[in-house]
This record gives sequence, C-alpha cells and structure tokens, in this order.
Amino acid sequence: AQSVTQLGSHVSVSEGALVLLRCNYSSSVPPYLFWYVQYPNQGLQLLLKYTTGATLVKGINGFEAEFKKSETSFHLTKPSAHMSDAAEYFCAVSKGGTGFQKLVFGTGTRLLVSP
Amino acid sequence: DAGVIQSPRHEVTEMGQEVTLRCKPISGHNSLFWYRQTMMRGLELLIYFNNNVPIDDSGMPEDRFSAKMPNASFSTLKIQPSEPRDSAVYFCASNGGFRGYTFGSGTRLTVV
Repeated sequence: AQSVTQLGSHVSVSEGALVLLRCNYSSSVPPYLFWYVQYPNQGLQLLLKYTTGATLVKGINGFEAEFKKSETSFHLTKPSAHMSDAAEYFCAVSKGGTGFQKLVFGTGTRLLVSP
Repeated sequence: DAGVIQSPRHEVTEMGQEVTLRCKPISGHNSLFWYRQTMMRGLELLIYFNNNVPIDDSGMPEDRFSAKMPNASFSTLKIQPSEPRDSAVYFCASNGGFRGYTFGSGTRLTVV
C-alpha cells in the first residue's frame, strides 16, 4: 500500500524567502509522486509530478521537487516566496505504471507568507 | 476543455433531507473519484469508478451514502438522509491516464 507523510501542518515564511515543504512516501513498488495546491474555496490544482526519468521536476509558479529514492522523499521547494503562494499544499502518491491507479493524499501543509 | 464540472457549488439543506451532488468528468477520462474534505479529517477518498464501474467504495462512510455513474459523462453522489456531520466540501476528480487527477471546484455542503 502507498502512503505519504507531510511534515508540518503549517509552514510560515517571509516574502522572498525559500519555501520548503516536506513529503515522505511509503510504497512497495516504484511510485508516481505529485504535488497539488489548493487556494481558498477552490479545488486542487496539479503543481508537478514525478513518474520516471529525471528526478528533479519543475512545475508551475516556480516550484520544483526532487525525488530521492534513498530518502523516500519528494520535498517541494521554491527559491523565493510570493504572497500569492499562500495556500494549502498536498503531496500524493500512487503506484507507477500504466492503467488505472488510485492516488493517496497526505494531510496537507498550509503555507503562510508574510510581507 | 471545460474541466471537471460539479454542481451545485453550494448546498444548504436540513437534516434528514436527501442531497444529490453531481459531477461531469472530462471527456475521455475513464476514471472518476469522489472525495470529501473536512478540517478534521482532511481529504478522504469515498469511492472511485473505472470505466463507469465502481472499483472501491470502502471509503463511503455509511449506507446513507451512495454513488452512481450511469455513463461516462455523469456521476452522482447521494446522501439520504443527510446529517449535520456530513457537512463538508465534496470534490469530484477524473483521470484519463497518468497525467494526474483533474479536480472540480467542489460542492460545499452544509446540513443544518
């Protein structure tokens, strides 16, 4: 079975500071990994995903994440936070491969950005 | 591409009433998922369909909850009778392969 753990339900940064949101996964098979963002009163939007190949993946809005198999991690980073980045971020995992796969979400991390 | 369309966006109902939430997935997507989001429990997967067939409904909290997918372009989630603890945001998502899910904007349900 797959699972993800997001460390820290809330992360606070200043505008312009580095953003680091942590995600560790558990999977018995090679995983596919995802980060989603949810703005207030909206649905979840895909930020980026890792399936195979390059372990450093770039997403929208300047975010990127690195798949580290040895650490079972997929942390999300952004060099410089903007006020507009304030939202809730969800890490998710599924089994790799083609065909239908269920996505399992973490509990989310709320990013707060102060001026 | 209009995305995943959910209706209504907001629903307020009295305890004991039947509630029906609707979802239109993205055309060509063959998997559909219903999630519930609350402050206390986060995102919970209620049920999912593949090619209109329910695959796993183990997340459905009680027999008061039921979901159908009569065709590839429509799904419903029904709660009968509704209770205040059912108040949550209900999301529908569809997936057409391995590009990640596309979520609808959700239905905010309030049961008073």
